[in-house]
Amino acid sequence: QSALTQPASVSGSPGQSITISCTGTSSDVGSYNLVSWYQQHPGKAPKLMIYEGSKRPSGVSNRFSGSKSGNTASLTISGLQAEDEADYYCCSYAGSPWVFGGGTKLTVL
Amino acid sequence: QITLKESGPTLVKPTQTLTLTCTFSGFSLSTSGVGVGWIRQPPGKALEWLALIYWNDDKRYSPSLKSRLTITKDTSKNQVVLTMTNMDPVDTATYYCAHSHVGTGYCFDYWGQGTLVTVSS
Repeated sequence: QSALTQPASVSGSPGQSITISCTGTSSDVGSYNLVSWYQQHPGKAPKLMIYEGSKRPSGVSNRFSGSKSGNTASLTISGLQAEDEADYYCCSYAGSPWVFGGGTKLTVL
Repeated sequence: QITLKESGPTLVKPTQTLTLTCTFSGFSLSTSGVGVGWIRQPPGKALEWLALIYWNDDKRYSPSLKSRLTITKDTSKNQVVLTMTNMDPVDTATYYCAHSHVGTGYCFDYWGQGTLVTVSS
């Protein structure tokens, strides 16, 4: 099972919106709406931001949203804030195995 | 409140077997739909899923590491144990355990703090 493909880095200015893509195959991302997204600050454990493609856990800002089209899932962060600067990982669950993306470093300029 | 914590050696020698324990609270691994997984992250690199055990003792492993991994649970102690044989320096990583549940599409919604394991002679 190959890792999902994410851009290595994205950047944006405070207040702007950015989108991180996560490309898989018809066997994982394309087959199920079971993509999750995680935020990881340096030295910290990952934090769940989006599950089942577009659902937000309690306590996660509504500035974070998820979507999917075909074999590509996307995470959009609107109204960028300094604290959004972190690494972001997508993950697809297709029954087994779980497959993570290579991660995207978000820089807030 | 769900919490998980990993424990185990911080340093292992090449060819040795690594045993990590995940001790959790706030949920029971005998409850239908619950799972506990292990994920690792080499320094500066991406997350990699390793294994997961379900409430019904169904076990799933990463295809690339399956021959080296064993995951077990002790429901009475609220613990999940992961063993990895034949450790190599490339296995140096922070190892995380995480809670998973059918209600969230079996994503990993609660994570431990992680434990750094270094493989070196």
